[in-house]
Amino acid sequence: DIVMTQSPDSLAVSLGERATINCKSSQSVLYSSNNKSYLAWHQQKPGQPPKLLISWASIRESGVPDRFSGSGSGTDFTLTISSLQAEDVAVYCCQQYYTTPSFGQGTKLEIK
Amino acid sequence: QVHLVQSGAEVKKPGASVKVSCKASGYTFTNYGIGWVRQVPGQGLEWMGWVTGYNGNTNYAPKFQDRVTLTTDTSTSTAYMEVRSLTSDDTAVYYCARSSLSQVGLVGPWGQGTLVTVSS
Repeated sequence: DIVMTQSPDSLAVSLGERATINCKSSQSVLYSSNNKSYLAWHQQKPGQPPKLLISWASIRESGVPDRFSGSGSGTDFTLTISSLQAEDVAVYCCQQYYTTPSFGQGTKLEIK
Repeated sequence: QVHLVQSGAEVKKPGASVKVSCKASGYTFTNYGIGWVRQVPGQGLEWMGWVTGYNGNTNYAPKFQDRVTLTTDTSTSTAYMEVRSLTSDDTAVYYCARSSLSQVGLVGPWGQGTLVTVSS
């Protein structure tokens, strides 16, 4: 099984500042034949279901603000929020779908 | 607009079974699959399995292979998840989510979730 590990577990950032969340997989989720990393990011606001933000490590879903960006390949990935807004307070979770899907433990993002 | 509406909260006794429904709208049900994910209170997300919308083919996480059955009813665009032999460890919020047919594990949008409580 692929284990997904996020860092940090929690993060407090000032409004308008950059937030960076890291995700590491225990083995590569890069499929060499298409050069795609099978990695998604989900956002879960309090009391709500998760929301898919990014797939294929860096492709934003329709309607997701462009302050959200994903990067990385292979085993190391990053979700960046370029300018934190109040509505971005949530738990962010990475997920691999290269094999039997698995999720990271989540990173709780708060306002400083 | 894609919308997945799940059935309401359930309270079950240990050893019982539970069946959760997930009604899809806003897209062609048979062109996608439905994935099921659970979240134990205070813990992370756990993928349980996937079922196609058009022929009912399934793919289960090994942990749930023996106790979970996923089905669909194309006439009503509804997916179902049944969990048998419930224990207190199965107390969780269960989510359905639309899934690509080609990428089984890529899930989203999500349903609102169904809380299943197992208690004697």
